[in-house]
Amino acid sequence: KNEVEQSPQNLTAQEGEFITINCSYSVGISALHWLQQHPGGGIVSLFMLSSGKKKHGRLIATINIQEKHSSLHITASHPRDSAVYICAVGGKGAQKLVFGQGTRLTINP
Amino acid sequence: GAGVSQSPRYKVAKRGQDVALRCDPISGHVSLFWYQQALGQGPEFLTYFQNEAQLDKSGLPSDRFFAERPEGSVSTLKIQRTQQEDSAVYLCASSLYVTARAGYTFGSGTRLTVV
Repeated sequence: KNEVEQSPQNLTAQEGEFITINCSYSVGISALHWLQQHPGGGIVSLFMLSSGKKKHGRLIATINIQEKHSSLHITASHPRDSAVYICAVGGKGAQKLVFGQGTRLTINP
Repeated sequence: GAGVSQSPRYKVAKRGQDVALRCDPISGHVSLFWYQQALGQGPEFLTYFQNEAQLDKSGLPSDRFFAERPEGSVSTLKIQRTQQEDSAVYLCASSLYVTARAGYTFGSGTRLTVV
C-alpha cells in the first residue's frame, strides 16, 4: 500500500461543477501539499497545510490530521483548471516529499 | 532568478550514453531536491542537498546515478550508461530553509527519453 493514496485517479466534469479530490496518507506528517501539474511537466505549489482549511480563489484545501485525510475542492470549475493534481506529504523530521500518483482532472466546456 | 530553472527541457539519449541534467535553484535556497517522475506516476525522491552537502541519496536507483552541488547553488544530476527504464521527467525543487516551512518551488523538469 502506498503511503499516499489519491482518489479518483481520473475525473472528468463539466464547466461549473464542484470538484473534490481526496488524499489519504498513512504516515505521520509535518505538512501536506497540494500541487498542480500541467502538460509539459512543471509543478506549481497550490497549498501547504498542517491543520484546518485554506482557501485561495476558487480552490479550497482541508485536512483532518486525526483521520489522515485531505481534500482539494474547486468551485465553479473551468476548462483552464484541467491538469494533474498531486498530493504530497512531508514526514516529521524528513525534508523530502512523498507524492501520491496524481489525479488527472479534465473540465469540459 | 525568479524561479527554479532546469536544462535541458528535453533530452533524447541513446542507450548507453551518459547524460547530465542541470538545476539552477532560486538564489539563496538552502535545500535542493531531485525527483524522478515516470509517465503517469507521481514523482519519487532521488536525492537531497543542504547547501553543498548531499544528506540523503537513498532514492538513487543505482550507482549509475550521481548528483552533485559543489558550491551549494547549481546542481547536476548525472546518469551514466543510460537504460530505457531511465526514461522519465526529472524534477528539481528548492526550498529556502532546512525545514519546509517556506514550501517548495519546482522547476519545469527535464524530460529524458532513452532510445
